[in-house]
Amino acid sequence: DSGVTQTPKHLITATGQRVTLRCSPRSGDLSVYWYQQSLDQGLQFLIQYYNGEERAKGNILERFSAQQFPDLHSELNLSSLELGDSALYFCASSVGSAGSGREQYFGPGTRLTVT
Amino acid sequence: GENVEQHPSTLSVQEGDSAVIKCTYSDSASNYFPWYKQELGKRPQLIIDIRSNVGEKKDQRIAVTLNKTAKHFSLHITETQPEDSAVYFCAASGSGGSNYKLTFGKGTLLTVNP
Repeated sequence: DSGVTQTPKHLITATGQRVTLRCSPRSGDLSVYWYQQSLDQGLQFLIQYYNGEERAKGNILERFSAQQFPDLHSELNLSSLELGDSALYFCASSVGSAGSGREQYFGPGTRLTVT
Repeated sequence: GENVEQHPSTLSVQEGDSAVIKCTYSDSASNYFPWYKQELGKRPQLIIDIRSNVGEKKDQRIAVTLNKTAKHFSLHITETQPEDSAVYFCAASGSGGSNYKLTFGKGTLLTVNP
C-alpha cells in the first residue's frame, strides 16, 4: 500500500458523458500527478499540482481538467468522453521538493471504460 | 520535451539468471531516474531510483547504473525469481523547480521461468 488512495476503482460510462476521478495523496505530500495508461500510449503524464497550484501540463486534452483542493486532494474531470479515453488513470504523489522528496508513489488507479 | 526509449520490450529468463533492461533519454537536463515494477492490474511500484550525481546504486538483487555522457541507464536484476515477473518501466525527470513530472519508457515485460 503506497498511502495514495483513488476512487472509484472502476467506472463505466457512455460516450459524451462527464466523470470525476478523485485522489488523496500520502500524508505530507504536496505534489499530485495524474497519469494515463493505455496499451498503445503507455504511461503518459497529464498534469501536476503542487500545494494547490498547477505546476506542469503534459499531454492533457482540453476536455480534461483537474484541480487540487486546500486539503491537497485532487480531482481529474473528464468530459465529452470518447471511446479512446478508456484507460487506467493513475494518481501519484510526492513531497515535491528537491533531494529526497522526488519519489513518486502511485495510487491503485481508476479503470475507466467508455462504451 | 524528454523522450525515453526502453529495450527490450520483452525479456524471458530462467530462474536464477540475470536480467538487464536498458533505457536512453534525450534531455541532458534530466537528473532523476526511477524504475517501476507493475504487476498485472496493479499500480506501478517504485523499486529503485538514481540521481545524476551517482553512477550506480544497489539494493539487494537489483542495481541501476547511469551513464550521463551517453544518456543511458540500466536496471540489473540478479538471481531472478518467478515473483520478479512483471512489466518494468524506466522514467526520467528534469530539474524544473518543483516540476518533477516523469517521462516513461514503453515498458519491458519480464518473464522468469521456473
